[in-house]
Amino acid sequence: QKEVEQNSGPLSVPEGAIASLNCTYSDRVSQSFFWYRQYSGKSPELIMSIYSNGDKEDGRFTAQLNKASQYVSLLIRDSQPSDSATYLCAVTGTYKYIFGTGTRLKVLA
Amino acid sequence: DAMVIQNPRYQVTQFGKPVTLSCSQTLNHNVMYWYQQKSSQAPKLLFHYYDKDFNNEADTPDNFQSRRPNTSFCFLDIRSPGLGDAAMYLCATSGKGQGAFGYTFGSGTRLTVV
Repeated sequence: QKEVEQNSGPLSVPEGAIASLNCTYSDRVSQSFFWYRQYSGKSPELIMSIYSNGDKEDGRFTAQLNKASQYVSLLIRDSQPSDSATYLCAVTGTYKYIFGTGTRLKVLA
Repeated sequence: DAMVIQNPRYQVTQFGKPVTLSCSQTLNHNVMYWYQQKSSQAPKLLFHYYDKDFNNEADTPDNFQSRRPNTSFCFLDIRSPGLGDAAMYLCATSGKGQGAFGYTFGSGTRLTVV
């Protein structure tokens, strides 16, 4: 079983819509959860972190965490073509920081 | 601006010829990491330094070595690159807590082996 799972996509949404990206993890003692955005050929950029159950909003981005379900999600409101990228979920596990393989998002103009 | 700088951005090396990638940081972070990322895959941790303490991942090939001469600099040495080592190599840093507050990544070095 993969430790951090994401749907590889691509997830296609029209410009202005809400994009919903999901991530599940297997280590119940995970404490910190992150979303990184990675443009093709570039390095990951941290866009959101969340540490407790519930929602955390930052501009157009909302991270949601449900530790009981071992589930973390990222919502992008008013999606723009510039949001087209791969979104990596990362979780601090028992011993190390674990990345998912990422979901490729395409925002259609 | 405080940042993580990787050099070079693109590196072409010959099969079997040793190559060194470099990373420097002005964040004064304790922890520095080297990741390997192949196309459409998750970044894979090779090793990390917590201050001067070196931590190797169990599945990192012996072909990969690292040096951290001081807080600011960290090097990745590939002793005998093979075609399978072609990848993006990412350096990242974090403050104490080993990533509990997220990583800062450098821009990466794209390695091509010919």
